[in-house]
Amino acid sequence: EAGVAQSPRYKIIEKRQSVAFWCNPISGHATLYWYQQILGQGPKLLIQFQNNGVVDDSQLPKDRFSAERLKGVDSTLKIQPAKLEDSAVYLCASSRPGTSGGQETQYFGPGTRLLVL
Amino acid sequence: LAKTTQPISMDSYEGQEVNITCSHNNIATNDYITWYQQFPSQGPRFIIQGYKTKVTNEVASLFIPADRKSSTLSLPRVSLSDTAVYYCLVGGSSGGYNKLIFGAGTRLAVHP
Repeated sequence: EAGVAQSPRYKIIEKRQSVAFWCNPISGHATLYWYQQILGQGPKLLIQFQNNGVVDDSQLPKDRFSAERLKGVDSTLKIQPAKLEDSAVYLCASSRPGTSGGQETQYFGPGTRLLVL
Repeated sequence: LAKTTQPISMDSYEGQEVNITCSHNNIATNDYITWYQQFPSQGPRFIIQGYKTKVTNEVASLFIPADRKSSTLSLPRVSLSDTAVYYCLVGGSSGGYNKLIFGAGTRLAVHP
């Protein structure tokens, strides 16, 4: 099956500009996640969608970050305006409900590397 | 969600067995232990998951003692391509809420 697709792969912008990232999850996966990974650190969850509803956005800086999931499939993450500290890799992942206990396996895309100058 | 502690880095040589231990003293009854692997410029990839005792798949083994306060990921006969960051995560899936909290992970370097 096709994996999680993300675009663009790389983006360079100046601070105070806006940027948007796109994610297409694996077909049939109801849950979609956006993570931010700063160099040398593990990924940090920004927002989690279940179908097109938000399950968790507690770590999303809502003054500048926004995300939506169109019709419960594709998703976009936007930053406006960007700050220098937003330089990171933005990872999208998806999963589907399991039939037994345990954590659902998350499948990650390749990420979008953002550099804010 | 239980916090995990694992070594920052490890070194090994090709053909050796590598064991990475993770401590999770506050693991809850319904928590599972999951390991992910991340190569440079890629997203993390699921390796293995377990609840208790031992789990083995084609890639690795996971050993979990009876008290479940730690776990050990075992990679048999590593190769250069196993150089990556390995993350230990602890949590459960409750009502579809499936949150992963990543630490800094263990950076494994395999040398020729």
